[in-house]
Amino acid sequence: EVQLVESGGGLVQPGESLRLSCAVSGFTFSSYSISWVRQAPGKGLEWVSYISSSSSTRYYADSVKGRFTISRDNAKNSLYLQMTSLRAEDTAVYYCARASPYSGYVYFDYWGQGSLVTVSS
Amino acid sequence: DIQMTQSPSSLSASVGDRVTITCRASQSISSYLNWYQQKPGKAPKLLIYAASNLQSEVPSRFSGSGSGTDFTLTISSLQPEDLATYYCQQTFSTPWTFGQGTKVEIK
Repeated sequence: EVQLVESGGGLVQPGESLRLSCAVSGFTFSSYSISWVRQAPGKGLEWVSYISSSSSTRYYADSVKGRFTISRDNAKNSLYLQMTSLRAEDTAVYYCARASPYSGYVYFDYWGQGSLVTVSS
Repeated sequence: DIQMTQSPSSLSASVGDRVTITCRASQSISSYLNWYQQKPGKAPKLLIYAASNLQSEVPSRFSGSGSGTDFTLTISSLQPEDLATYYCQQTFSTPWTFGQGTKVEIK
């Protein structure tokens, strides 16, 4: 069974840092690209970041570029999101999602349950 | 950035009704369009990928069509368990943007 389990969320003050983790099982992690997607309370989905299977390619939304860093450890079947200089507008549930390719198309076919990050003083 | 606009923002329909949700891209995205269903308090679930391909184990009452800038998600016969918010997403170019969502309610 494919599983993605996020952890590391919590309450932090503006300007602080936090590291999210996503533990993966049920598939060959090293063969798949992964993304982070977030959802602010009561709002829609916002794609945040992407990392290819070998870590050679990384993309970021403009809203987090320069503040967030995506990484992975294929030996540990784990994905990370290092978040620095956090702002109130970063408050959201953060999901990790497997990015599957299909003839050049990309879609997110498995999602974790999400980890809530709250940025507030 | 490519803007994705869904319509309507919400709808209410009866069990058995045919429901159509539209998604329009601000520029051509070929068939790089996915649809997701999100039930209250749950993670999103993939329904349709590459505009018209039904994800495994998704009921056949869901279908997708379109290419270029205009896309449609159709539920052929609405069921009570289809109560959810539906999102389109383009993966033609980064940033991979989502539509604002369409909330489907059951009358």
